Amino acid sequence: AQSVTQPDIHITVSEGASLELRCNYSYGATPYLFWYVQSPGQGLQLLLKYFSGDTLVQGIKGFEAEFKRSQSSFNLRKPSVHWSDAAEYFCAVGGGNKLVFGAGTILRVKS
Amino acid sequence: NAGVTQTPKFQVLKTGQSMTLQCAQDMNHEYMSWYRQDPGMGLRLIHYSVGAGITDQGEVPNGYNVSRSTTEDFPLRLLSAAPSQTSVYFCASSYSRGHEQYFGPGTRLTVT
Repeated sequence: AQSVTQPDIHITVSEGASLELRCNYSYGATPYLFWYVQSPGQGLQLLLKYFSGDTLVQGIKGFEAEFKRSQSSFNLRKPSVHWSDAAEYFCAVGGGNKLVFGAGTILRVKS
Repeated sequence: NAGVTQTPKFQVLKTGQSMTLQCAQDMNHEYMSWYRQDPGMGLRLIHYSVGAGITDQGEVPNGYNVSRSTTEDFPLRLLSAAPSQTSVYFCASSYSRGHEQYFGPGTRLTVT
């Protein structure tokens, strides 16, 4: 069965510091992988996606993620966090109309 | 393009009442889905559709019905609301399996 684990429920980083959000997945075939961001009271916005090819993918807002098949991971990174990055981040696996989401990681940014 | 739209934004129901959450998309996407979001659980798939006239169950389908008479619309019906259905509901659409889903703004439902 497909599953996604985001081990960190909350993460707090200082503005300007680097960020890494962890995501591990279980999937029976070559996965489609996604990171979405949700600001309070809002819908979900796609940050980036991996379907195939280069395992380091670039997304919007300066985010990137690296697919590591051997570790079943798809961690999200940003070199320098801005206060506006405070939100909840979701990793998801699947494709088309059937996505399995992780429980989410809430990012707090302290000034 | 309006993208994916959902109505209403907020709704309060009493236990046992029925209602329909509306979802529409203007991107000519074949795939549409309904998710519910509960704290600490991420989003869970309720029902999905791969085209007009074709629907199937997701992870948590009990208590919900869907139909897909047109490509644009994918309403979600609560047959007899229960407090356990208090949640935020998101509709999403995508062009195909190999493409990302676009999400609507959500409907916050409270069942008392």
